Amino acid sequence: KNEVEQSPQNLTAQEGEFITINCSYSVGISALHWLQQHPGGGIVSLFMLSSGKKKHGRLIATINIQEKHSSLHITASHPRDSAVYICAVSPNSGGSNYKLTFGKGTLLTVNP
Amino acid sequence: GAVVSQHPSWVICKSGTSVKIECRSLDFQATTMFWYRQFPKQSLMLMATSNEGSKATYEQGVEKDKFLINHASLTLSTLTVTSAHPEDSSFYICSASGWGSGANVLTFGAGSRLTVL
Repeated sequence: KNEVEQSPQNLTAQEGEFITINCSYSVGISALHWLQQHPGGGIVSLFMLSSGKKKHGRLIATINIQEKHSSLHITASHPRDSAVYICAVSPNSGGSNYKLTFGKGTLLTVNP
Repeated sequence: GAVVSQHPSWVICKSGTSVKIECRSLDFQATTMFWYRQFPKQSLMLMATSNEGSKATYEQGVEKDKFLINHASLTLSTLTVTSAHPEDSSFYICSASGWGSGANVLTFGAGSRLTVL
């Protein structure tokens, strides 16, 4: 079983829809990251969370440490949001917050 | 914001040759750099962690003599794929962590697609 599981694997939405991507993990963590990977391959770090909720523009990320679960929400989705969204965790192994274990990603396609 | 420049973005080479990929932090000091590889439709897999001025720590199953990592300065790390073979064809991406813009940052490079013929 992967330490980090994302759902759904693929998601197609119409422009303007509210999007939710889920991430569950099985290990104790010091932080959870949400990343965005565009078709060209480059990765952008969206959020780093250790508790609660963070918001940046139309993106919201939440985490429930007790349930070992995080969600990434996109409000008023737009075709330019089309990308792979990756959940990654920093296990509680005493190492860096940035030594990450990755989920397989969720491919989001937003149609105009 | 913190920027990491990675190049080349793509490279094609013949089997048996060596290829060097550079990862450079442009506006912050990268105390730690991470190197990953990614196969199509797969997760990123950590290959090694390098701290400036010390030897890289390789993940299990990654050949240190095959994938040479150098992190000689706070702004530059290189990955050299030695004696490349077609099975080394992959997408390689680096990330850098350090202190920039008044906060701890984690930034990824744009990646390098290696094709070995």
